[in-house]
Amino acid sequence: GAVVSQHPSRVICKSGTSVKIECRSLDFQATTMFWYRQFPKQSLMLMATSNEGSKATYEQGVEKDKFLINHASLTLSTLTVTSAHPEDSSFYICSAGPGTPTYEQYFGPGTRLTVT
Amino acid sequence: AQRVTQPEKLLSVFKGAPVELKCNYSYSGSPELFWYVQYSRQRLQLLLRHISRESIKGFTADLNKGETSFHLKKPFAQEEDSAMYYCALSGTDSWGKLQFGAGTQVVVTP
Repeated sequence: GAVVSQHPSRVICKSGTSVKIECRSLDFQATTMFWYRQFPKQSLMLMATSNEGSKATYEQGVEKDKFLINHASLTLSTLTVTSAHPEDSSFYICSAGPGTPTYEQYFGPGTRLTVT
Repeated sequence: AQRVTQPEKLLSVFKGAPVELKCNYSYSGSPELFWYVQYSRQRLQLLLRHISRESIKGFTADLNKGETSFHLKKPFAQEEDSAMYYCALSGTDSWGKLQFGAGTQVVVTP
């Protein structure tokens, strides 16, 4: 089956710094990738849709200037959390799927971000 | 507005007993419904999608448009079914983005 990887798996950063999370589709091309956020013991909440070669589409309430998304190639999307604060600490998960629309999605293992 | 509701946070069943996880949705068009499963320390993975009408690992789910439900069922639960289960919806014009329910933790005891 299709594989989606994320790097890093966990990261600790200081408040005020920026951190980049990568999402890669390893054996397929993905014109669309999705970024989710998951708080402890809660469900996944869609943050944004990452579109290859164009701007990301953000869900209501998600600050696009804080969560910068770049989808520079058909196999890589990056999420940069800028000027991170402790409240940004969370589990960030990406998903992608072959085809357009991407109804069959594969999820990455997630990235645990802790902001101190 | 679209919404996915999973009323049970936790379901505890004995091995060999039937298990049913409830999922109700609200969506104005014709949605695609999915069940995703997350085993301990593993990534989220697709279990079922309504359009394929398959039975995976003994689980089935039927889309009931009249009741706007997509309940997940298995006649005989196994210990390896212990996991977190999420019902998810994708709208016809949403290009694959998923809205998840709150999730149901299933614990199967021997």
